[in-house]
Amino acid sequence: DSGVTQTPKHLITATGQRVTLRCSPRSGDLSVYWYQQSLDQGLQFLIQYYNGEERAKGNILERFSAQQFPDLHSELNLSSLELGDSALYFCASSVQGQNYGYTFGSGTRLTVV
Amino acid sequence: AQTVTQSQPEMSVQEAETVTLSCTYDTSENNYYLFWYKQPPSRQMILVIRQEAYKQQNATENRFSVNFQKAAKSFSLKISDSQLGDTAMYFCAVGTASKLTFGTGTRLQVTL
Repeated sequence: DSGVTQTPKHLITATGQRVTLRCSPRSGDLSVYWYQQSLDQGLQFLIQYYNGEERAKGNILERFSAQQFPDLHSELNLSSLELGDSALYFCASSVQGQNYGYTFGSGTRLTVV
Repeated sequence: AQTVTQSQPEMSVQEAETVTLSCTYDTSENNYYLFWYKQPPSRQMILVIRQEAYKQQNATENRFSVNFQKAAKSFSLKISDSQLGDTAMYFCAVGTASKLTFGTGTRLQVTL
């Protein structure tokens, strides 16, 4: 157990629908990062939050949004889902910045049918 | 822009042998860190080793060591005494104050 909790582990939904992925960072970590990994691909950075505020944005679609709550858990909202959104979505956390590497959750596997 | 290149999509090594995975990177930052992550079939991302770019000494973690060549922007991973459990996808990454960028990965198969 890495200490970063992601729910749900698996999600199957239809095109056009909206889903919410949840992440609880490791205790003491203030930063949360979201990554997307499509089949046999590398990890694409989506967005970072630090202590409740958006800190950096990557290749995140307008249909996707995220937030970090006062208790530091984060949610990634994916709407108007398309088949191409099927992927493994990782959340990672760190104390501050990336200097010591991220701790990753086990991911949420999203399948859009 | 920040890029990471892993030029070996797949590699194979026999158990107990040594294998080296290559990685080159580019960043305009002066202060950065380098990482190798392992992703086994379970898909969990596991930090294998990290290197501070300002340190000349190569990092070592048990059977895992790196060869960091800063001028060449090269950061290779050496796995000694390979074990079946080392079978995984390995990602190289460079981290700066603003982001952590991953390469496309090298799939390593350890065989008997």
